[in-house]
Amino acid sequence: DGGITQSPKYLFRKEGQNVTLSCEQNLNHDAMYWYRQDPGQGLRLIYYSQIVNDFQKGDIAEGYSVSREKKESFPLTVTSAQKNPTAFYLCASSTIAGGPSEQYFGPGTRLTVT
Amino acid sequence: GQNIDQPTEMTATEGAIVQINCTYQTSGFNGLFWYQQHAGEAPTFLSYNVLDGLEEKGRFSSFLSRSKGYSYLLLKELQMKDSASYLCAVRAHNQGGKLIFGQGTELSVKP
Repeated sequence: DGGITQSPKYLFRKEGQNVTLSCEQNLNHDAMYWYRQDPGQGLRLIYYSQIVNDFQKGDIAEGYSVSREKKESFPLTVTSAQKNPTAFYLCASSTIAGGPSEQYFGPGTRLTVT
Repeated sequence: GQNIDQPTEMTATEGAIVQINCTYQTSGFNGLFWYQQHAGEAPTFLSYNVLDGLEEKGRFSSFLSRSKGYSYLLLKELQMKDSASYLCAVRAHNQGGKLIFGQGTELSVKP
């Protein structure tokens, strides 16, 4: 079955610790995205990548970092510099822009930092 | 810049029809998407519009007017399972396919 996997579903960390969220897709999509969702709000773009070894900042990149060493994988690191890291994190992928190439979403990781 | 507005919440009755509106401002418009998101779950794709007019897909239809920066999602024969958040998202040219999302409309379907 093709799809996007994110793990773990729930993640708990202490303040001051970096944490890495995984995202893997076997849809052979070129583009991958990371979003953050806070309660009652829409999705806000953190980072996106159109090809391997290249990525761009989204609207709220501060305190986050990513890598794209493989087409299938786009891990997100939430660093201690992120002021309010507790949120629902969603990874998505799509074929390269244009046309009805909708983004497919993973199940999400709910991160709680105390 | 880009800006998307949609109502925060709506309530409708099972079996009825509901229309969820979305207005947007963007430069280089390259498509509008509607997603459904149940609480705690990932958004799932509902529809895509890039040309003016109505796109129908079963009980769901989506309309676009590019000149007015306006779209709506129409849900017919509402079912209880349609209770969810509905997200409007806009894509712009030369932006790597990224989407800008509205805050979402929380729809509650009552018996």
